Amino acid sequence: DQQVKQNSPSLSVQEGRISILNCDYTNSMFDYFLWYKKYPAEGPTFLISISSIKDKNEDGRFTVFLNKSAKHLSLHIVPSQPGDSAVYFCAASATNTGANSKLTFGKGITLSVRP
Amino acid sequence: KAGVTQTPRYLIKTRGQQVTLSCSPISGHRSVSWYQQTPGQGLQFLFEYFSETQRNKGNFPGRFSGRQFSNSRSEMNVSTLELGDSALYLCASSSESGTIYFGEGSWLTVV
Repeated sequence: DQQVKQNSPSLSVQEGRISILNCDYTNSMFDYFLWYKKYPAEGPTFLISISSIKDKNEDGRFTVFLNKSAKHLSLHIVPSQPGDSAVYFCAASATNTGANSKLTFGKGITLSVRP
Repeated sequence: KAGVTQTPRYLIKTRGQQVTLSCSPISGHRSVSWYQQTPGQGLQFLFEYFSETQRNKGNFPGRFSGRQFSNSRSEMNVSTLELGDSALYLCASSSESGTIYFGEGSWLTVV
């Protein structure tokens, strides 16, 4: 049973526009969420995180929104740049169970930003 | 500040052999966790070590094991390798704040 779902396998956007990457989760114990960016043959690079006590966190061009009632989060990238083209993973953990480093990942979404 | 360092980066093993992968966490990080990434299953949690003790474990067979040393460096071992063990093995370290940082990974090919 997939507890973290990224239902769209790919997304293509024009340079300068907004990229919206979605993620849904089913485990109500998850209280900490992270987004990672990954290039082939490299490890995931941390982008941004959000705790369940917040509904928004912003860092430069990246903003993550959390809707706990819908068990949904999204990553907004504004403006999108060609260098943002990569695979983006949504991950979640249940820190209240002591499993801080036990991340459950979605399958990833491939973002392509067209010049 | 150096990131998470994993060695070796690439290796090829034969079925039935065993392999040991090494990870040096970010300085000051006491938690080290391991993940396996395959095309079919995505990124899956293997186990986590904190202060030389296994704190969490994923759903992998006993052939997969690990340990952590007093300097927080960690190793993972896979015994009796199977073709399906071919994957990218990622090590991650985290600080008290909870952000988890990954290394570049070790690519294992089992032939």
